[in-house]
Amino acid sequence: NAGVTQTPKFRVLKTGQSMTLLCAQDMNHEYMYWYRQDPGMGLRLIHYSVGEGTTAKGEVPDGYNVSRLKKQNFLLGLESAAPSQTSVYFCASSYPSRGRNTGELFFGEGSRLTVL
Amino acid sequence: GESVGLHLPTLSVQEGDNSIINCAYSNSASDYFIWYKQESGKGPQFIIDIRSNMDKRQGQRVTVLLNKTVKHLSLQIAATQPGDSAVYFCAEAYTSGTYKYIFGTGTRLKVLA
Repeated sequence: NAGVTQTPKFRVLKTGQSMTLLCAQDMNHEYMYWYRQDPGMGLRLIHYSVGEGTTAKGEVPDGYNVSRLKKQNFLLGLESAAPSQTSVYFCASSYPSRGRNTGELFFGEGSRLTVL
Repeated sequence: GESVGLHLPTLSVQEGDNSIINCAYSNSASDYFIWYKQESGKGPQFIIDIRSNMDKRQGQRVTVLLNKTVKHLSLQIAATQPGDSAVYFCAEAYTSGTYKYIFGTGTRLKVLA
């Protein structure tokens, strides 16, 4: 049982390049999330999904797009990377626990992205 | 241990002392709260959670207190150990609504030998 897996773990981009981060979970979770973490700023929510085929904006969605074509995968895309998008990106997933007692977020190990 | 808010991002405690980490949350509709621990270079790890119909919950060496009146959450760690050194985040969620988890800035806990 791998949990939440993110690929790639490290990437260096030039300004204007595009890339996609892949998040895969094998826990049959309905909800998936993408966060970015910058020094001293904690975790900020970029986009999230409450089910296959649905996505929604978080706190800092600009410059990113997401897709949830399959329940187990949540993709984060950068169409034209900017230096301000240099960050560590974390994917997370949680149970279909609407109305249940638990809603713990399970995190991946992070993807470190540098935009030059 | 010394209690601090999020405006003081580092808490230093002696090994064996108790630690108290505080967090102020923003949404009065939030009904679920979690504390996470993050070690350097790793993803956040779940410590303990609490729902809004409770004001206290205990785990192994950790206790979470919730004060909904002032929208305040605290994490107490008993007998702090070197392995507790990490950054601690609180998160709030409105599970009856959007199910967005919003995190606080974090507090770095340093355990002194």
